[in-house]
Amino acid sequence: AQRVTQPEKLLSVFKGAPVELKCNYSYSGSPELFWYVQYSRQRLQLLLRHISRESIKGFTADLNKGETSFHLKKPFAQEEDSAMYYCALSTNSGAGSYQLTFGKGTKLSVIP
Amino acid sequence: DAGVTQSPTHLIKTRGQQVTLRCSPISGHKSVSWYQQVLGQGPQFIFQYYEKEERGRGNFPDRFSARQFPNYSSELNVNALLLGDSALYLCASSSAARSYNEQFFGPGTRLTVL
Repeated sequence: AQRVTQPEKLLSVFKGAPVELKCNYSYSGSPELFWYVQYSRQRLQLLLRHISRESIKGFTADLNKGETSFHLKKPFAQEEDSAMYYCALSTNSGAGSYQLTFGKGTKLSVIP
Repeated sequence: DAGVTQSPTHLIKTRGQQVTLRCSPISGHKSVSWYQQVLGQGPQFIFQYYEKEERGRGNFPDRFSARQFPNYSSELNVNALLLGDSALYLCASSSAARSYNEQFFGPGTRLTVL
């Protein structure tokens, strides 16, 4: 069965400091990985996905299949980055069938 | 487009009762998924529907059921409610049923079982 682990429940960093949110996964197939974010009083939304290999709001994430990791990084944290971050694994189990498995989430708090 | 909409926003029920939650996807989206989010946890997959057919089911008891209508809206039903069913229920829609597609989430329905 697939599993996503986010070891940190809460991460506090100072403004301007680098940020790394850890995510490890367990899945026997080819993984599709995502980072979703939930800002205060907003709905859950996609931040980035590994297949796009893009940088969103200064965040990047690289899929490391050897270490089964998909850590989220940003070189300089900003106050508006404070939010709840979820790593998610999408698995395909047949034609038109897929599901997202989420980690428990990491709450990022950027201290001014 | 208002995005994915869910109703009601909040709901209070007692043990043993039945509840129906509703979801309207983004216009043009044919795939709808349901998730349960217990406080302090990430969302947990319940169902996925595509083109009005159930395509995936998570590890939930048969008390949980769902359906998708011709207009692609969806309902989640939970029978014989237990205290442990208290959670935020999220609906998400996607333009196609592919694993790399972005899912767009609704605001959720907060269910409290007393």
